[in-house]
Amino acid sequence: SQQGEEDPQALSIQEGENATMNCSYKTSINNLQWYRQNSGRGLVHLILIRSNEREKHSGRLRVTLDTSKKSSSLLITASRAADTASYFCATDAAQFYFGTGTSLTVIP
Amino acid sequence: AAGVIQSPRHLIKEKRETATLKCYPIPRHDTVYWYQQGPGQDPQFLISFYEKMQSDKGSIPDRFSAQQFSDYHSELNMSSLELGDSALYFCASSFGGLPSYEQYFGPGTRLTVT
Repeated sequence: SQQGEEDPQALSIQEGENATMNCSYKTSINNLQWYRQNSGRGLVHLILIRSNEREKHSGRLRVTLDTSKKSSSLLITASRAADTASYFCATDAAQFYFGTGTSLTVIP
Repeated sequence: AAGVIQSPRHLIKEKRETATLKCYPIPRHDTVYWYQQGPGQDPQFLISFYEKMQSDKGSIPDRFSAQQFSDYHSELNMSSLELGDSALYFCASSFGGLPSYEQYFGPGTRLTVT
């Protein structure tokens, strides 16, 4: 499968802690994107990192990309209860492939 | 700012019926993607269109067809509906015709087949 695979599948942390989610993929990519999805709701684009970038920041989000290891990580700092959602990574390759998602629960 | 619009938001159909889902991309976006997300599943790419032509095809059943119109909106037609077609159907739009451009997702249409 060319889909991204997120790790861990589920993560539960206390509010204020940092949350780190990892994603691995199998094929060469032009970019990797992270999305969040609240239960039963639409996908929200978080951040895009291109294959020639190693790290990118956006607010409380920090994304890294290691193309040699075909992996990416998403760090959410100072988590809030509102960050509770499923987080997906998606790679483009020839099509747009989504991983299986990490379910993040932030406990107030 | 204008977002991707999908209609209807909810749809209930019976087995063997037909359904049509509509997607209105962000203004000036020329590329539309359709995804299917079953309960507890990750989104699966179905099909995409660029400048009114099919640009890529994923795991779309033969019972489904789609097209993009001159105003860039797209419709996904689903015939002979099966229980397994019950899912959230997302449309996304982008500019430039390549999946490497940022995609903006609509809120989804929840289809329930009974």
